[in-house]
Amino acid sequence: NAGVTQTPKFQVLKTGQSMTLQCAQDMNHEYMSWYRQDPGMGLRLIHYSVGAGITDQGEVPNGYNVSRSTTEDFPLRLLSAAPSQTSVYFCASSSSGGAGEQYFGPGTRLTVT
Amino acid sequence: KNEVEQSPQNLTAQEGEFITINCSYSVGISALHWLQQHPGGGIVSLFMLSSGKKKHGRLIATINIQEKHSSLHITASHPRDSAVYICAPFSNTGNQFYFGTGTSLTVIP
Repeated sequence: NAGVTQTPKFQVLKTGQSMTLQCAQDMNHEYMSWYRQDPGMGLRLIHYSVGAGITDQGEVPNGYNVSRSTTEDFPLRLLSAAPSQTSVYFCASSSSGGAGEQYFGPGTRLTVT
Repeated sequence: KNEVEQSPQNLTAQEGEFITINCSYSVGISALHWLQQHPGGGIVSLFMLSSGKKKHGRLIATINIQEKHSSLHITASHPRDSAVYICAPFSNTGNQFYFGTGTSLTVIP
């Protein structure tokens, strides 16, 4: 099993550009989530999904879209990048939300100039 | 508003010392996770607790649901334990995690 994979590892965008951060897992997990991690603030939930076709907003959803067309994939779209979105982004999955072990991807370091 | 408070924020210990990290939370939860993040960024899950106590090697995690408090203990600490430890309660209503800001542990040889 590859676990949770994220691409790219690093990305630099200009303000206003759009892009998609990819996340995939091969463990047949229903629950997937996206977080951003900023210095001094800890992890913050952007969006999550409890299964294919079902997504919901977390604490900081503005400026981001998600979709879950398959169990395996949960891409995060930045619609129009802003410097405030400079952060490290983590994708995670588990078999049953909070009741299952969480598996994190390696992270994507995004810089918006 | 901080739903999760961890203490201490930073901790330096000598190798071999017993370490305790505390987590208090204000939300109703169905489970609480402890995560470890090493320099360089990768996050791994250490424990998932819904009651009582769990032990993995030198690590012990406890939770008191009534008091809304959890602790992570490291016995016989080692420099390789140097990392950030994150408390993550899972809400029993919102289907999502809350996170503490983490405790940065440095173990000196």
